[in-house]
Amino acid sequence: DQQVKQNSPSLSVQEGRISILNCDYTNSMFDYFLWYKKYPAEGPTFLISISSIKDKNEDGRFTVFLNKSAKHLSLHIVPSQPGDSAVYFCAAPFNTGNQFYFGTGTSLTVIP
Amino acid sequence: GAGVSQSPRYKVAKRGQDVALRCDPISGHVSLFWYQQALGQGPEFLTYFQNEAQLDKSGLPSDRFFAERPEGSVSTLKIQRTQQEDSAVYLCASSSVFPQRERYTQYFGPGTRLTVL
Repeated sequence: DQQVKQNSPSLSVQEGRISILNCDYTNSMFDYFLWYKKYPAEGPTFLISISSIKDKNEDGRFTVFLNKSAKHLSLHIVPSQPGDSAVYFCAAPFNTGNQFYFGTGTSLTVIP
Repeated sequence: GAGVSQSPRYKVAKRGQDVALRCDPISGHVSLFWYQQALGQGPEFLTYFQNEAQLDKSGLPSDRFFAERPEGSVSTLKIQRTQQEDSAVYLCASSSVFPQRERYTQYFGPGTRLTVL
């Protein structure tokens, strides 16, 4: 069963506009979430994280929002740039933290 | 090197062949993880090492999969008698700290793409 879900496999956005990537989870025990960015032929790289004691975390152009009651988080990128074009995964550590559950990813294309 | 490296980057195997995939973590990283990423899917956890100890192998899909990290640095993932369903990208990740529930991330290598014919 997929405990972390990204229901949008792809997203296209014009340069300069906002990109919003969504992620849902089913396990209420998750209390920390991460977003990873992946370019083709490279491994995922850490982008931003959020603890469940917060509802927002901001880092430059990237902001992650967490709605615990809805078991939903989102990544906002503003303004979007062509270099942001990549696959974005949300992830949640489980067990003692050694297992990460990943979503299936959303492929973002930022159109110049 | 500054990052996690994996070799080979690409491997083509005939069904039934044994393969060995290598991971060189970031120097000094105590934690090492293997993931399997099928086409169009997210990475799925396979196994975890803390130094040389394999503390969690619950994600290994069958007894054909075996991982080791004998000296607490380089790790090898071995797949015996490969099957077509083993075709995937195998990702290695490492971390400088022990797993925690918060304020923690893993650093990934580029992966090895395995194709079983």
